[in-house]
Amino acid sequence: SQQGEEDPQALSIQEGENATMNCSYKTSINNLQWYRQNSGRGLVHLILIRSNEREKHSGRLRVTLDTSKKSSSLLITASRAADTASYFCATVLYNNNDMRFGAGTRLTVKP
Amino acid sequence: SQTIHQWPATLVQPVGSPLSLECTVEGTSNPNLYWYRQAAGRGLQLLFYSVGIGQISSEVPQNLSASRPQDRQFILSSKKLLLSDSGFYLCAWSIVWGTGELFFGEGSRLTVL
Repeated sequence: SQQGEEDPQALSIQEGENATMNCSYKTSINNLQWYRQNSGRGLVHLILIRSNEREKHSGRLRVTLDTSKKSSSLLITASRAADTASYFCATVLYNNNDMRFGAGTRLTVKP
Repeated sequence: SQTIHQWPATLVQPVGSPLSLECTVEGTSNPNLYWYRQAAGRGLQLLFYSVGIGQISSEVPQNLSASRPQDRQFILSSKKLLLSDSGFYLCAWSIVWGTGELFFGEGSRLTVL
């Protein structure tokens, strides 16, 4: 069953703009991960943030985690057409280390 | 470096026919292996995982089975496919069980007619 819920389901922006995607979850986590999936391809791991971390950066990616609100956000700065993909959050549950994926946000970056 | 291979990439099968999807990992030993299914526009559903040869855990009761005959080989099978088995199947591996990142194959799209 799904744990994370991404918001919005779809996002369309112009190249150069920033894209923000959110993920909410219900139970305590060990860590939260973000993955990217190009259409018809496998998922690629982007970033992992542990429950004791609040913010993490990787290139143009910035992930925040608020465990009190049980939510995370993924910010892609200065987006490019090549960033067009679906983005999934995956939560690793604290009690059993199960990993649960959300339904994803479909991002379209228009050139 | 580690690589994961999954095949076939595309499969169209009639209802009631058997299924075999294969996944192999190279460049690492004793990986944790996973089979996921992704319905159109949805997230991933974990079907099976394996922490070692011959060790298979099933997440949901279904028409599918999995086997791990070798350390880096993971097979998803069915004796008789149902229409509801259609979907995108993804194999993945990880170094650390549970908490670590997953490395995915390119997926196998199965259409059952």
